Amino acid sequence: DIVMTQSPDSLAVSLGERATINCKSSQSVLNSSDTKNYLAWYQQKPGQPPKLLIYWASTRESGVPDRFSGSGSGTDFTLTISSLQAEDVAVYYCQQYCDTPPYTFGQGTKLEIK
Amino acid sequence: EVQVVDSGGGLVQPGGSLRLSCAASGFTYSSYWMTWVRQAPGKGLEWVAYINQDGNEKDYVDSVKGRFTISRDNAKNSLYLQMNSLRAEDTAVYYCARGWGHIDYWGQGTLVTVSS
Repeated sequence: DIVMTQSPDSLAVSLGERATINCKSSQSVLNSSDTKNYLAWYQQKPGQPPKLLIYWASTRESGVPDRFSGSGSGTDFTLTISSLQAEDVAVYYCQQYCDTPPYTFGQGTKLEIK
Repeated sequence: EVQVVDSGGGLVQPGGSLRLSCAASGFTYSSYWMTWVRQAPGKGLEWVAYINQDGNEKDYVDSVKGRFTISRDNAKNSLYLQMNSLRAEDTAVYYCARGWGHIDYWGQGTLVTVSS
C-alpha cells in the first residue's frame, strides 16, 4: 500500500499569513499514461464530513476559494493557503488514488490560528 | 442538490453484524462509483471499499476483506455496506461518499460502535 505522510502534524499561523502543508507519498502517484498526479486534498471541520478542496494535485474544486492551491508532482505535494482566514481552521488531509486500492490518506494536519 | 445520506449505525457486540445504508439523490446515481470511508474516534480517515457503477467491480482495504461486503441497488439509488464479524477496531464513523478516487460528496456519517 502507498503510505502518505503529512508534515507538520499541527500548524499555527496568524490571520492573513500563508499556511503550507506538505504531503509525501511512499511511491509516485504520477500516472505516466495521462501525466496526472492522483492526489487530492480535503478539509475537515469538527463534527463535519471532509470537504474536497483540490484534486489531480492542483485542480481546485468548484466553489473553493482561490486562496487554496495545490502543487507538486510524483511523491511530494503541497497545499498552500495564501492568506489564512478564521474559517480555515480545520484538519487537512491528503489522499492518493493511484493504481489499485486502498486509496490511502495522510494522517492529517491540524491548522490553528496563532 | 446532490445529497448522500448514510444510516444504519449503532452499538453491536464483537462478532456481530450490521448493515449500513446510503440514500443518494440529486444526481444520476447509476453513473457514479461509490465509496465507504471510515474515521475512528479522534483519528484520521481510512478508505474502506468502493464499487463501480453496475456493481461488478469492488475492492476493500485488507483489514475488512472477507468480513465486509459493499453493494448497491441502482433502482433505489442506494448503497450498502454489510459488516460481519465486527471487531472493536471497526468502531468508527462510516461515511458514504460519491466517487472512486477523489471524493466530491460525503454523507454526514453514521457511527458504528463495537463493544460488549
